[in-house]
Amino acid sequence: AQKVTQTQTSISVMEKTTVTMDCVYETQDSSYFLFWYKQTASGEIVFLIRQDSYKKENATVGHYSLNFQKPKSSIGLIITATQIEDSAVYFCAMRVTNSAGNKLTFGIGTRVLVRP
Amino acid sequence: AQTIHQWPVAEIKAVGSPLSLGCTIKGKSSPNLYWYWQATGGTLQQLFYSITVGQVESVVQLNLSASRPKDDQFILSTEKLLLSHSGFYLCAWSLDRGDTQYFGPGTRLLVL
Repeated sequence: AQKVTQTQTSISVMEKTTVTMDCVYETQDSSYFLFWYKQTASGEIVFLIRQDSYKKENATVGHYSLNFQKPKSSIGLIITATQIEDSAVYFCAMRVTNSAGNKLTFGIGTRVLVRP
Repeated sequence: AQTIHQWPVAEIKAVGSPLSLGCTIKGKSSPNLYWYWQATGGTLQQLFYSITVGQVESVVQLNLSASRPKDDQFILSTEKLLLSHSGFYLCAWSLDRGDTQYFGPGTRLLVL
């Protein structure tokens, strides 16, 4: 069974600074995919970025980047130059290649508050 | 571009009453479709998935059922609501099994 753990309940940062969120995953499968989603105040869930387990290079999309440390089963999310609108709950999720139902397993989320 | 629509936006229902939530995706044929549930302040839990019309697989049993009557439509329902059914229901889609899942706007349900 897969498990995703986000230990940081909430983080508060000043606008225009960098925030880093941790995520640790557990799986017996050698092939898997890792995702970060953001849930806004309205409840909307937005896909941000993904990392495929076979790729060594850290994924980067806009001001989002990942710190993929495969030996530690860790996939951190880094947001640079934060903006007020980055305030949200961030979920880490994992899917193994042969999962039934293409099942995503989510962590409990990290709430980020960006202060002006 | 694909668009995903969920209805209703929100519902307040009585315990024991029936429920039907809908999800429609436009702009993509034969998508994989999913239902997720999120308790208030909680994480997301996958309930059902469907890869084609008429085929639905259950992931978690919560006294709910799902159907896919059309290629672009996914329905979540129950004949008798429980208090524990309250929460946020999200429909999601992906191009195929291996692709990223994208979520709809969700339906908030309060069962009293």
